[in-house]
Amino acid sequence: QKEVEQNSGPLSVPEGAIASLNCTYSDRVSQSFFWYRQYSGKSPELIMSIYSNGDKEDGRFTAQLNKASQYVSLLIRDSQPSDSATYLCALDPSGGSNYKLTFGKGTLLTVNP
Amino acid sequence: KAGVTQTPRYLIKTRGQQVTLSCSPISGHRSVSWYQQTPGQGLQFLFEYFSETQRNKGNFPGRFSGRQFSNSRSEMNVSTLELGDSALYLCASSPLPGLGDEQYFGPGTRLTVT
Repeated sequence: QKEVEQNSGPLSVPEGAIASLNCTYSDRVSQSFFWYRQYSGKSPELIMSIYSNGDKEDGRFTAQLNKASQYVSLLIRDSQPSDSATYLCALDPSGGSNYKLTFGKGTLLTVNP
Repeated sequence: KAGVTQTPRYLIKTRGQQVTLSCSPISGHRSVSWYQQTPGQGLQFLFEYFSETQRNKGNFPGRFSGRQFSNSRSEMNVSTLELGDSALYLCASSPLPGLGDEQYFGPGTRLTVT
């Protein structure tokens, strides 16, 4: 069973809208969750991390974590064309004891002007 | 501060050959992780090195190996290359293992096996 599942998309939203990206995971031990953004032809860059249940906001980005339901999401408010990229959900399935990141396959987001 | 550097950026090899890729971490970073990215499998963890020791290894065959030097620079080696090894190989560095918030990726090495 794949440990991290993401809708591959593409997810298309108009400029100024809220983009909602979702990720589910299978390992209940996971404690650390990350969202990476990867532009075409570039390497991933970390945009958000979340460790506790609830919401974490950073500018236009909000990460949400629900460990009971085993999902983590990323909301992008006031989406801009520059947000068009693949968004990768990642987690550490070891619970911190044997750190290694497991990634989903990513969701391609397109923001239309 | 300079970012993570990887050399070479592009590489074309033939089946059966071997290849060595290099990664220089951000100054002061002592943990280096390697990942393979393909369209089919996505980003997959290969291994992690800290203090010249492999701390962790992903589910890859023994043809994939690596090492870390005393200056924290790391190399990975793939022997007996197969067509399926064609991928983007990324390394990431962090000051210490487990600091996901401080892990930065290099630009990657694009390996093509023909």
